[in-house]
Amino acid sequence: EIELTQSPGTLSLSPGERATLSCRASQSVADYLAWYQQKPGQAPRLLIYDASNRATGIPARFSGSGSGTDFTLTISSLEPEDFAVYYCQHRSNWPLTFGGGTKVEIK
Amino acid sequence: EVQLLGSGGGLVQPGGSLRLSCAASGFSISFYDMSWVRQAPGKGLEWVSAISRDGSGTTYADSVKGRFTISRDTSKNTLYLQMDSLRGEDTAVYYCAKVWRTWYFDHWGQGILVTVSS
Repeated sequence: EIELTQSPGTLSLSPGERATLSCRASQSVADYLAWYQQKPGQAPRLLIYDASNRATGIPARFSGSGSGTDFTLTISSLEPEDFAVYYCQHRSNWPLTFGGGTKVEIK
Repeated sequence: EVQLLGSGGGLVQPGGSLRLSCAASGFSISFYDMSWVRQAPGKGLEWVSAISRDGSGTTYADSVKGRFTISRDTSKNTLYLQMDSLRGEDTAVYYCAKVWRTWYFDHWGQGILVTVSS
């Protein structure tokens, strides 16, 4: 089973600041990695797929990079609606696994 | 518009059974792989099970293998999760999800709360 480790656990930032979230895989997942955003009481929303491609309707301030074992989700300038929990997920093999999440909170 | 409407959750005793349903609209489940993902209270996301678009293939997380069964009824455009021998650690919100680009999740249901407790 591939483990995904996300860091930091919590990121305290102000609106307008840049957010950089990390996801590290225990073995290579090539570029088969997605990022999701989840707000309290809501289902997750797909943001990024295959490491660097934005899903339909996702604003350009969200970007993804990386391959192999190290991946990054960047939010270039935080909007009030971006404060949420972010998860990475791989689709390299079974079982599919998610990272433990990074909470982006208002400083 | 793609919609996934889940139902069937509730409180069940340890060792009991429950069947979750997920009614899809706006697309046909006959053409898409589908999956279940759960989230224990205050915890992260855990993939549970998946079924292939033609219904011939199913797969499960080790934590539920042998106890949970995923299925579908294409005539009702509905996905199911039969959960048997339930344990306290199965307490979670269960999401059905439409699979995209094998195997990401591009649409999610609203979540179904399952509580296993005596």
